[in-house]
Amino acid sequence: TQLLEQSPQFLSIQEGENLTVYCNSSSVFSSLQWYRQEPGEGPVLLVTVVTGGEVKKLKRLTFQFGDARKDSSLHITAAQPGDTGLYLCAGAEGNNRLAFGKGNQVVVIP
Amino acid sequence: NAGVMQNPRHLVRRRGQEARLRCSPMKGHSHVYWYRQLPEEGLKFMVYLQKENIIDESGMPKERFSAEFPKEGPSILRIQQVVRGDSAAYFCASSPRQPGQGNSPLHFGNGTRLTVT
Repeated sequence: TQLLEQSPQFLSIQEGENLTVYCNSSSVFSSLQWYRQEPGEGPVLLVTVVTGGEVKKLKRLTFQFGDARKDSSLHITAAQPGDTGLYLCAGAEGNNRLAFGKGNQVVVIP
Repeated sequence: NAGVMQNPRHLVRRRGQEARLRCSPMKGHSHVYWYRQLPEEGLKFMVYLQKENIIDESGMPKERFSAEFPKEGPSILRIQQVVRGDSAAYFCASSPRQPGQGNSPLHFGNGTRLTVT
């Protein structure tokens, strides 16, 4: 099993602040995906990172894939209440499944 | 294009009853996955199916749990003789390809929240 560990587990910040959350593994992944899940809903894909060292931007969200393809980070600039949610990273485990980390619960206080 | 549809959204069963959860994948998607989510455990893979075939059921308990994806109709996750520990949110996801092929993302439904009393 290729464990994905996400840290911090919970993060609460004020609106306008920046934050970074992490997804780490001892295994190499061909790609990693980030999802956001809001209460009562299913996870929604935000981005897929494929190349080691890759940086992808989605408005105020910046995703980075580690050079060794074992870890990834998500940085949110000037967080807004709408960024509140559970951020999940996921990697392919063999051909048959996506394995998920336990998530980073982010709360942005207005 | 409708997304992944799951029903019911909420299901309450007494211990010993059967729970039947349904999932209609996105149009054109032939790969269906079931996950279980508990607050302390995160999303755990249960089973992966293609039309009429179970491809990987290694995450599903061998007893009381079964899944199918018939040629016609939705995928069904069936839990027989439910116990309190089965209470969780069950999510279905679909994709056009296997996860290991072309970085295929999963499209999730909004889940069925099962409560066993």
